[in-house]
Amino acid sequence: DAKTTQPTSMDCAEGRAANLPCNHSTISGNEYVYWYRQIHSQGPQYIIHGLKNNETNEMASLIITEDRKSSTLILPHATLRDTAVYYCIVRALSGGYQKVTFGTGTKLQVIP
Amino acid sequence: ETGVTQSPTHLIKTRGQQVTLRCSSQSGHNTVSWYQQALGQGPQFIFQYYREEENGRGNFPPRFSGLQFPNYSSELNVNALELDDSALYLCASSPPGLAGSQETQYFGPGTRLLVL
Repeated sequence: DAKTTQPTSMDCAEGRAANLPCNHSTISGNEYVYWYRQIHSQGPQYIIHGLKNNETNEMASLIITEDRKSSTLILPHATLRDTAVYYCIVRALSGGYQKVTFGTGTKLQVIP
Repeated sequence: ETGVTQSPTHLIKTRGQQVTLRCSSQSGHNTVSWYQQALGQGPQFIFQYYREEENGRGNFPPRFSGLQFPNYSSELNVNALELDDSALYLCASSPPGLAGSQETQYFGPGTRLLVL
């Protein structure tokens, strides 16, 4: 399975854009990039996913490089409630099942 | 529409005991996956159930087993509990999709298990 590398922690000022990078240099052609976040050891919350095109939804934007070896999650206007651990993962299909491998994540601290 | 629910929320067991954790999948979802999350680490994939059968497994020993029922709810059973089994156990469900498609997994709040 493709592994992901993320910075351990980041700070972002409230109201500013938070840009969270992720490296997945061994990603294969059929693997999607997913982002989840986890607040206070609650269950991870789905944010966004993509294959090779940039994606945007009401929560965030996902920018994937052309070679698909890295991506960036963008929270356009960070709020204090966005403080969480953000996980970048890749999804592998193996024998028809969906194996999900989480890394260590980035702890995002939004500062007032 | 209710989301993924898990029970109990917290549980304390002693080493060597057995435990059963329960998960109700989100309405319309037929695939359930289980994860173990140790303190300070990311979730680790245990296994996945689809149509009442295990169809994928991570690096967990056989004493971790599960079931999926016709209503798509699921159980995680752990036998011969060890201290290192103390963790947050997460259940995630995903909807039906095309064969081989990537369907988003939605997580429950988890069950926190402490083994003494």
